[in-house]
Formats: sequence, structure tokens, C-alpha cells
Amino acid sequence: TQLLEQSPQFLSIQEGENLTVYCNSSSVFSSLQWYRQEPGEGPVLLVTVVTGGEVKKLKRLTFQFGDARKDSSLHITAAQPGDTGLYLCAGAKNAGNMLTFGGGTRLMVKP
Amino acid sequence: EAQVTQNPRYLITVTGKKLTVTCSQNMNHEYMSWYRQDPGLGLRQIYYSMNVEVTDKGDVPEGYKVSRKEKRNFPLILESPSPNQTSLYFCASSFLSSRSYEQYFGPGTRLTVT
Repeated sequence: TQLLEQSPQFLSIQEGENLTVYCNSSSVFSSLQWYRQEPGEGPVLLVTVVTGGEVKKLKRLTFQFGDARKDSSLHITAAQPGDTGLYLCAGAKNAGNMLTFGGGTRLMVKP
Repeated sequence: EAQVTQNPRYLITVTGKKLTVTCSQNMNHEYMSWYRQDPGLGLRQIYYSMNVEVTDKGDVPEGYKVSRKEKRNFPLILESPSPNQTSLYFCASSFLSSRSYEQYFGPGTRLTVT
């Protein structure tokens, strides 16, 4: 059992649709990060959230940190084929601590 | 260009033959780490280093060694590789920003042990 559970594991949608990816835990994290990984490459950091209830927007991507800092969500509006990839959440128990990664959500956006 | 480099990118080897995967970063980051990525398991940390000559075990350190003699380099050593170490390996360097370490990943090394 992973400390951070991501759902869904796989998601295949049509261009223009909206979607939400979830990252849940029973543990409290001081911060949570979201990464996107494309085939043949390493993960790239998208955002870091550190305050309970915090919402950050990155163009069509909206990230939210749960009030209790145990969960997070990533919402994509009007998905595009360029959004295709593996989305990973990662939490840190406290500053300076190592990250724990979720299992990932593999997203495919069809034209 | 700020980057993390790993070599080799692909490696096929046999059980028991010692190997080293190199990792180098040019961002003067103090913190470096190694992960392995397996389907459905996400990224699991093998070892990390907070600074030169300071290393510590991550979640899955068995069968691996690391060293940090210089700030920019953090090689991963498999003294006697076994088939269960077949995986995709990533090196990362990071700095403390806000209240978390933001990781910069290398391109990955795909290792197959037969």
C-alpha cells in the first residue's frame, strides 16, 4: 500500500474535455508537488502547494491542496493532446524531508 | 543550460557484473537523490545526499551503493546486480524552496539485468 494513492491510474479522454486527478493520503504533508513526465524523459515539476486549502493555477491546470493537507487534486480544463503524459504527486512530511511519490495517473488526450 | 545528466541512458548487463550509473548536475544544488521507477509503483527513493560526504538510505536501498565526493556528482553503484533491479532509474538534484525540495530530474537510465 502506497502512502500516496492516485486516482484514476489511467484516463483516456477526447480533446476539449475536462478532468480531475486525485492524490490522497491518510498522512499530513507539509507540502505537496505535482510533476508531469513524458515518455523517455524525467518528471518535470509543475507546482508546489504548501498551505492547506491553497489553490494554484497554471494556465488550464488548477491545483488544490486539501484543508487538512492530506490530499490534493489536479483539474485540467479543455484538455489538449499536449497534456498527455504521466502525472505524479509527491508529498514531503516536513521541510527538508525526502519526497514520497504516488503511483501516477497516465493521461491520454485524443485529438 | 541548467541540467542533470545521467550516463548511460540504456544498459543491458548480466547478473553479478558490477556497474555504475553516473549523475552530474550543474546547478550547484546541495541535495541529490536516486529513484527507481517501476510500473504502478511510481518513483521510489533509493538513496539521497544532503551534501558532500553525507548520504542516507531512502525507501529501497538494498543492493545499491552511492558516494558523494564532489557536490556535482552522485554515482549509483550496483555491486552485484540482480534481475529484480531491472528498472528505470532517475537521478535528481534539488534546492530548498518555500517549504519543500523542488526536484530537477535527469533523463533516466533504463537498466536491464538478465
